[in-house]
This record gives sequence, C-alpha cells and structure tokens, in this order.
Amino acid sequence: LAKTTQPISMDSYEGQEVNITCSHNNIATNDYITWYQQFPSQGPRFIIQGYKTKVTNEVASLFIPADRKSSTLSLPRVSLSDTAVYYCLVGEVNNDMRFGAGTRLTVKP
Amino acid sequence: EAGVAQSPRYKIIEKRQSVAFWCNPISGHATLYWYQQILGQGPKLLIQFQNNGVVDDSQLPKDRFSAERLKGVDSTLKIQPAKLEDSAVYLCASSILAGVGDTQYFGPGTRLTVL
Repeated sequence: LAKTTQPISMDSYEGQEVNITCSHNNIATNDYITWYQQFPSQGPRFIIQGYKTKVTNEVASLFIPADRKSSTLSLPRVSLSDTAVYYCLVGEVNNDMRFGAGTRLTVKP
Repeated sequence: EAGVAQSPRYKIIEKRQSVAFWCNPISGHATLYWYQQILGQGPKLLIQFQNNGVVDDSQLPKDRFSAERLKGVDSTLKIQPAKLEDSAVYLCASSILAGVGDTQYFGPGTRLTVL
C-alpha cells in the first residue's frame, strides 16, 4: 500500500486559495489519488479523484505531476465552512485505500 | 437517493460488555466497509465486504470484533467483550463496487464510549 504524507495542519483566511500537498513516493501503476473532507461529527465526504495531470470539479482542483509521486488539492476562495480535515488516499479505487491522519485546515475570518 | 444509515448514533457501555452496530448501505452498492475512528486520527479500515463475502479483514481484531453481512445488504459489527481502547466512532461506508466508481459514501457513524 502506498504511504501518504501531508501536513498536519494549515491556516488560511476567507477568500484565499488553499493548496494542500500530499506526498506518495511509492504510488503503484494502478493507484488513483482520492481526497476526502471530514467535518466534526460527520463521516468523510468525497471531494475529488484523479490519476494524472489535472482534474477539476465544482469544489476543487487536483494537480498531479507526471511522476505521480505527489499531488496537490487546490481549494479556490475558501470560506469558514471549508474548515475541516482533508485526507489524501492512494490506492485502487475503493479498494486498498488507507486514511492517514489528514490535514486540519482552519479558515479564519 | 437515501444515504448510508447507521444505528445507534451513540452508545455507552462498560468494559467487558458486548455491543453491536448496524449499517444499511446505499441500495445497489455491492461493497461495504467498516471503519474505526479514534479521536484525532483518520478512519482505520476494519473490514471490507464485497456482497456478502469478506475482501479484507486484516485490521480487524478478531479476538473481540466480528462482522457479518447477510444477504449482501445490511451489516452488523459486534464487539465482545469491549475494552476501554475501543472508544471511538464506528463508520460504515458503501461503494458501487471495489475497483470501480469514484467514491465511498459514509454514514454518520456510531460514537461508542466504553467506561
């Protein structure tokens, strides 16, 4: 299983763009990169998933370099409601994926 | 569409007692997961079912934890006997099928406190 490393915590202010980087040096050929968001007292919620290059949806973008040894989740113009823990998972889709400790993002007014 | 349902939402027991959690996945989802989330940590996968067969239970403490998924739909997770360190939130999730789709859908969890 690919091990992931991401910052324990990050602070930002409302309206800023936030980039959270995840390192996964031993990612395998069949592995995808998936990000989840978790609010207190709730289960994790899917944000975005990608295999290579760039993926964008209505809430975030995911940048994956050619070597796929890292990835960056980009949240545009964050608000207070984006305060949460963000998890980077690497593995086969919905299989063999493991949650790490995540990055605790705090958005300040 | 209805989400993943779990019950109870909260449970308080004393150590050495038994407890059971129930999960009803999203209709049509073949894969079901149970996670344990200790305060301040990420969810830890306990067991993964594909239909009613076990795919991965490598992190399930089998001396005290058991899980079943009868008829490939609902699932129960049991702890017998409970220890203080079992205090955690137990999350159930489901996905269309392992290896396809894009996401696991999580239920609200059951918060277990062992005294």
